[in-house]
Amino acid sequence: DAGVTQSPTHLIKTRGQQVTLRCSPKSGHDTVSWYQQALGQGPQFIFQYYEEEERQRGNFPDRFSGHQFPNYSSELNVNALLLGDSALYLCASSLTGDNQPQHFGDGTRLSIL
Amino acid sequence: AQSVTQLDSQVPVFEEAPVELRCNYSSSVSVYLFWYVQYPNQGLQLLLKYLSGSTLVKGINGFEAEFNKSQTSFHLRKPSVHISDTAEYFCAVSDWTYNTDKLIFGTGTRLQVFP
Repeated sequence: DAGVTQSPTHLIKTRGQQVTLRCSPKSGHDTVSWYQQALGQGPQFIFQYYEEEERQRGNFPDRFSGHQFPNYSSELNVNALLLGDSALYLCASSLTGDNQPQHFGDGTRLSIL
Repeated sequence: AQSVTQLDSQVPVFEEAPVELRCNYSSSVSVYLFWYVQYPNQGLQLLLKYLSGSTLVKGINGFEAEFNKSQTSFHLRKPSVHISDTAEYFCAVSDWTYNTDKLIFGTGTRLQVFP
């Protein structure tokens, strides 16, 4: 039973570029959440997707956007990259509903030069 | 708004000694609490969760946590740590609004176990 898988594992970009990160949820899960973890910090909620719709967004600018596909996989897109976007981006999947635990992937390490 | 405070950024401890990692939360509604562990270059792994019922929650790898509503705390404990427990530990509260259960994390506690 595969867990949450994310790709790529590492990525290096320059300021102003655009990036797409990918996530496949754990088998049977239908909800995907994205988090940003800056160095030395706890993860911060970016947004959550369910039934291909964004359900809630954290305090992140519109440069951050996402998508969920019919097979529940998801993408996170970041435009006009800034140095401050350097972080570990974590994807978590769960079953929709109250109190369902979120299962995390190993993340994508994004470095902006 | 809900928030989580982890009082210790680093906790050094010798192998086989007991350890407690402290977590306090603020919430105006029913609260669901979690502890996650993060090993180097990996994602987060769920250690244990408190949803309701018994205030003493047992998790994986010999960890347990106690929910204390009056103290608004959810401290993580292990009676005897191993070198392999060296990792970053995050306390989180579930914020159930707009039919979405986003997690709000603390800043983490680095547990360093020495031989």
